[in-house]
Amino acid sequence: QSALTQPPSASGSPGQSVTISCTGTSSDVGGYNYVSWYQQHPDKAPKLIIYEVNNRPSGVPDRFSGSKSGNTASLTVSGLQAEDEADYYCCSYGGSNNLNNLRVFGGGTKLTVL
Amino acid sequence: QVQLVESGGGVVQPGRSLRLSCAASGFSFSTYGMYWVRQTPGKGLEWVAVIWYDGSNDNYPDSVKGRFTISRDNSKSMLYLQMNSLRAEDTAVYYCVRDKDVSFDYWGQGTHVTVSS
Repeated sequence: QSALTQPPSASGSPGQSVTISCTGTSSDVGGYNYVSWYQQHPDKAPKLIIYEVNNRPSGVPDRFSGSKSGNTASLTVSGLQAEDEADYYCCSYGGSNNLNNLRVFGGGTKLTVL
Repeated sequence: QVQLVESGGGVVQPGRSLRLSCAASGFSFSTYGMYWVRQTPGKGLEWVAVIWYDGSNDNYPDSVKGRFTISRDNSKSMLYLQMNSLRAEDTAVYYCVRDKDVSFDYWGQGTHVTVSS
């Protein structure tokens, strides 16, 4: 059982927007602005697409955006494209008091482009 | 460009040991903290070891503490994970990952570890 809760699946048609949620606690998501999101295509390594809640690494399209409210972070994919079909994982810093929660991941959301 | 290339995975019996290696290139390896992160179909993603940029400190979650040891050789831009007393639940794909801005900004391609008799 993952520390952060994500919906197992999400879907949308090309051109639409989809939002994926990531719910934690005040000890992780709600306590720090260190939420990151990763995109993983089949048989590939995860790829960083959002860091520090709402920052995009160089080369990541601005169709990907992140936000946070309280203990829930969100990833929005706008203008869906076929290549956006992938698994998406959130991750949060959980503090150093309990090393088991140094970094906590969500269980992943499979995004299907209809 | 940044490259992280893992090696050393394979099939090993429970209780045995395995050493993973990660060759880093394309960046100043000695200035970054590094992680090993594993992925299983059942438990998803889980960090299993972290080492400071200079090797002065390392940490582990309870699931592997006392069995896994992370190390690095900055002169060779190499990262290692020594895994002892392996269990079936350690079966996973193991990734070498760079830490930047409290996120995992570059991942290797992964190496498969299967613990089975």
